[in-house]
Amino acid sequence: NAGVTQTPKFQVLKTGQSMTLQCAQDMNHEYMSWYRQDPGMGLRLIHYSVGAGITDQGEVPNGYNVSRSTTEDFPLRLLSAAPSQTSVYFCASSPRQGALGTNSGANVLTFGAGSRLTVL
Amino acid sequence: KQEVTQIPAALSVPEGENLVLNCSFTDSAIYNLQWFRQDPGKGLTSLLLIQSSQREQTSGRLNASLDKSSGRSTLYIAASQPGDSATYLCAVITDSSYKLIFGSGTRLLVRP
Repeated sequence: NAGVTQTPKFQVLKTGQSMTLQCAQDMNHEYMSWYRQDPGMGLRLIHYSVGAGITDQGEVPNGYNVSRSTTEDFPLRLLSAAPSQTSVYFCASSPRQGALGTNSGANVLTFGAGSRLTVL
Repeated sequence: KQEVTQIPAALSVPEGENLVLNCSFTDSAIYNLQWFRQDPGKGLTSLLLIQSSQREQTSGRLNASLDKSSGRSTLYIAASQPGDSATYLCAVITDSSYKLIFGSGTRLLVRP
């Protein structure tokens, strides 16, 4: 049971280069999301998806694109990397969202181990 | 705009001590609050989830409380152990979009 798998774990890019961070989950979770974590700022939501074919913007979406062609995969694309995108990126998933305000396990996120990206 | 704050940013205690981590949020209209643990170089692990109508949740040596009216939550760790050393983050959901708003975390070191 792999859970949430992120690749690569480390990546160094030059300004203007493009790349894709991969995220895959094998738990048949409908909800998937991408966060970035910067020192002293906690995690901030970039994009999320509530199911295949559906994506939406989070708190800091600029400079990032996502797609959700399958339930399992949710790649994050940087089209033209900038030094401000140097960060640690986390992918997370959960089952179909439970009713808000309940203790349903559906509201609990499973996180990947992270991808550390440096843009020079 | 919802803001989540965790103070202190870092805490060092001797093994065996009981301790409390604090989390505050500016908008009391939350759906639930969650506490996570993050080990260095790893992702987050969910510890406890408290729904908006609850006052507390317990799991083993961990107890999380929620006071919506004051915009505060605490995570109580009993009889701390070196293995509890990690960063602890709290996060709230404030609307139907299921978006989690995170605090910046408290880095805990339990000294043997």
